[in-house]
Amino acid sequence: GAVVSQHPSRVICKSGTSVKIECRSLDFQATTMFWYRQFPKQSLMLMATSNEGSKATYEQGVEKDKFLINHASLTLSTLTVTSAHPEDSSFYICSASPGGSYNEQFFGPGTRLTVL
Amino acid sequence: QKEVEQDPGPLSVPEGAIVSLNCTYSNSAFQYFMWYRQYSRKGPELLMYTYSSGNKEDGRFTAQVDKSSKYISLFIRDSQPSDSATYLCAMGAGGSYIPTFGRGTSLIVHP
Repeated sequence: GAVVSQHPSRVICKSGTSVKIECRSLDFQATTMFWYRQFPKQSLMLMATSNEGSKATYEQGVEKDKFLINHASLTLSTLTVTSAHPEDSSFYICSASPGGSYNEQFFGPGTRLTVL
Repeated sequence: QKEVEQDPGPLSVPEGAIVSLNCTYSNSAFQYFMWYRQYSRKGPELLMYTYSSGNKEDGRFTAQVDKSSKYISLFIRDSQPSDSATYLCAMGAGGSYIPTFGRGTSLIVHP
């Protein structure tokens, strides 16, 4: 149980375009989903916390107008990288928490974004 | 000083060795401790979850927490090449607090 999927797994786009990444909890309902960014050999950097039906809470230094998050249902959250630039190239990972505890996070397989 | 310190490695061991992975932390409010395994280009997978000092065993894995020293460990017995991955520690102050992750230790188990 507790499976989280992400789509696409890999995307290459031109600078200036927007990219949408989907995160789905397949066998449980996730009131809260998290979006992380990870650079090579670095730890997970929390970008935002997404609660179903409300606005996402962004971490300090993360541009909310650039990284649009929508949590439309208890099983789906999306991250849209708007007007992507090469410095946005990274590994984006979502996670979801079943129940009320943030400690128990189940991660998706990640999306590798490359902006040319 | 970072809240969670973890040596990035890499740690290279022969197959069958006992592996010890460690994290230290500075926030005494941390009560929940997790270990995740992350294979290359994949999302982290939860391995162990503990909330008290002492040991917790699951198969070849043992998680150890020493709150007095603010030090946690993950031991892997009879290590296998398939254990080669990055291991991240994470810890939180409670269920309503988002955990803080270490940067991960890269483990290589060679045949």
